[in-house]
Amino acid sequence: SQQGEEDPQALSIQEGENATMNCSYKTSINNLQWYRQNSGRGLVHLILIRSNEREKHSGRLRVTLDTSKKSSSLLITASRAADTASYFCATDQAGTALIFGKGTTLSVSS
Amino acid sequence: GAGVSQSPSNKVTEKGKDVELRCDPISGHTALYWYRQSLGQGLEFLIYFQGNSAPDKSGLPSDRFSAERTGGSVSTLTIQRTQQEDSAVYLCASSYMDQPQHFGDGTRLSIL
Repeated sequence: SQQGEEDPQALSIQEGENATMNCSYKTSINNLQWYRQNSGRGLVHLILIRSNEREKHSGRLRVTLDTSKKSSSLLITASRAADTASYFCATDQAGTALIFGKGTTLSVSS
Repeated sequence: GAGVSQSPSNKVTEKGKDVELRCDPISGHTALYWYRQSLGQGLEFLIYFQGNSAPDKSGLPSDRFSAERTGGSVSTLTIQRTQQEDSAVYLCASSYMDQPQHFGDGTRLSIL
């Protein structure tokens, strides 16, 4: 069963613009992670935010977590064509398997 | 070092045949996971191995699916009597302690 639900399902922007993706989940979590998947490839881990953290940065990525609303957002600043990919949020409830959302497909055009 | 390696990268087989998918995790990673990714379904957890503990098989969709992990390293996912709905990309991931999971590029399985 799905835990995370991302929105939007698809997002198209121009290079240089910011991209924001949202994720909602249903149950309490240990942490929430964001992954990127390029077409035909596996998932690449981007960033992990723990349940007691509210915001985290990594390069051009900024993740926020609101446990009261059971939601998270991923912001990619100054997007590049190479950022074109699908982005998934995944929740870790008990240190075992991750539960993934269905993803947001991001298209960045130059 | 090398990442998670999966083989074959693509597999086409006829309905009713058995298939074996292989995963070589990153050396030293104690946890190994199998997921299935299909259109419209997102990523589904199948099975999880942690060290020498009994695997968590709660995600396996039917008794046609099984997996083993030999020597705490290589894992094989077996699907018996394949059905068309088994067509999907099967992804393997490994991790160490509470570190993030590292994924292979998957096996794309097509059942004719």
